[in-house]
Amino acid sequence: DSGVTQTPKHLITATGQRVTLRCSPRSGDLSVYWYQQSLDQGLQFLIHYYNGEERAKGNILERFSAQQFPDLHSELNLSSLELGDSALYFCASSVGGWRFSGANVLTFGAGSRLTVL
Amino acid sequence: GESVGLHLPTLSVQEGDNSIINCAYSNSASDYFIWYKQESGKGPQFIIDIRSNMDKRQGQRVTVLLNKTVKHLSLQIAATQPGDSAVYFCAENRHGSGNTGKLIFGQGTTLQVKP
Repeated sequence: DSGVTQTPKHLITATGQRVTLRCSPRSGDLSVYWYQQSLDQGLQFLIHYYNGEERAKGNILERFSAQQFPDLHSELNLSSLELGDSALYFCASSVGGWRFSGANVLTFGAGSRLTVL
Repeated sequence: GESVGLHLPTLSVQEGDNSIINCAYSNSASDYFIWYKQESGKGPQFIIDIRSNMDKRQGQRVTVLLNKTVKHLSLQIAATQPGDSAVYFCAENRHGSGNTGKLIFGQGTTLQVKP
């Protein structure tokens, strides 16, 4: 157990629908990062939140949005779903290592597998 | 554009042999490089990191080598075991203004260990 909790583990839905993925970071971590991993693909950075504030955006579609709440858990909202959105969505957390001198080692959750039919 | 890429998609080794997984990167401004291991059905797991001003770093059964001249990174696994079978990713981490600590990942190399 990495300490990063993601729910649901699996989700099957239809095109055009909306889903919400939830992430609880490791205790003490203020940063939450979301990544998308499609079949046979690497991990694509979507968005980063630090202590409730959005810090960076990657290749995140306009149909996708996220937020981090005061208790530091985060949600990734995916709307108007398309077949191509089927993927593994990972949440990762860190203390906020870019603010310090060491490597910003991200701790990943087990992921949420989204299947759009 | 910036990218961290891997030379080979699949590496097959005999149990007990040493494994070498390679990674090429394009951005010289990276401060750290990190290797992750992803087993089937799980999230990526940290293996080892190396700062950009280092050439080599050793961990338990793993060694990371960094060649900044040719922008090449490698992960060496000694005495490969069946439990090492996984996909291995290298990732780039940059500090400084405008960089919020996100990791840029390569495509991954699948390591298959034959008994």
